[in-house]
Amino acid sequence: GESVGLHLPTLSVQEGDNSIINCAYSNSASDYFIWYKQESGKGPQFIIDIRSNMDKRQGQRVTVLLNKTVKHLSLQIAANQPGDSAVYFCAEMVAAGNKLTFGGGTRVLVKP
Amino acid sequence: DVKVTQSSRYLVKRTGEKVFLECVQDMDHENMFWYRQDPGLGLRLIYFSYDVKMKEKGDIPEGYSVSREKKERFSLILESASTNQTSMYLCASSSPGTGASYEQYFGPGTRLTVT
Repeated sequence: GESVGLHLPTLSVQEGDNSIINCAYSNSASDYFIWYKQESGKGPQFIIDIRSNMDKRQGQRVTVLLNKTVKHLSLQIAANQPGDSAVYFCAEMVAAGNKLTFGGGTRVLVKP
Repeated sequence: DVKVTQSSRYLVKRTGEKVFLECVQDMDHENMFWYRQDPGLGLRLIYFSYDVKMKEKGDIPEGYSVSREKKERFSLILESASTNQTSMYLCASSSPGTGASYEQYFGPGTRLTVT
């Protein structure tokens, strides 16, 4: 049978609505986190980052929340637009190492 | 504007061929990375380099090697391509953390098919 890993979790959201993408990270020593957006046929693009000394950071229409107690990261996108349709990846890093470890990704589909 | 370019967008090779994937960045970054991306598995690090002529294994280096003769160029080599190396290959670069962002900048990717 097919591996579960082949299927991306998918989040459908109506245009104009808010969305939340969740990510569980694995390394309690990670102290830096990034969210990337990847559109079809393109490389990942940086959205927002956060350090472990913060629990919230806001950008333009995006907010990242970090809960170190349960090793959980989330990305909130406000007022979703068709251009927000993409695959979103979280990534963690122990900053001294400069290496990112990526999650499996979540596909977001914004419906008009 | 920050730019990472990869030599090919699409590549088809036969089993057993030697394959070179080239990556060039124009940002004077010290760090360069090669990932492969497979559906539902995210990005997995193959090799990375912190400096010219320096390389370190990532999480899945088997079947690959790399070369970094110049700061701006990082090559991924498949010595003898196999069908399980059919994948999307992504190159990235970054500066060592200076207290600000550790952002990695990605190229557009090379979709390699090994038949």
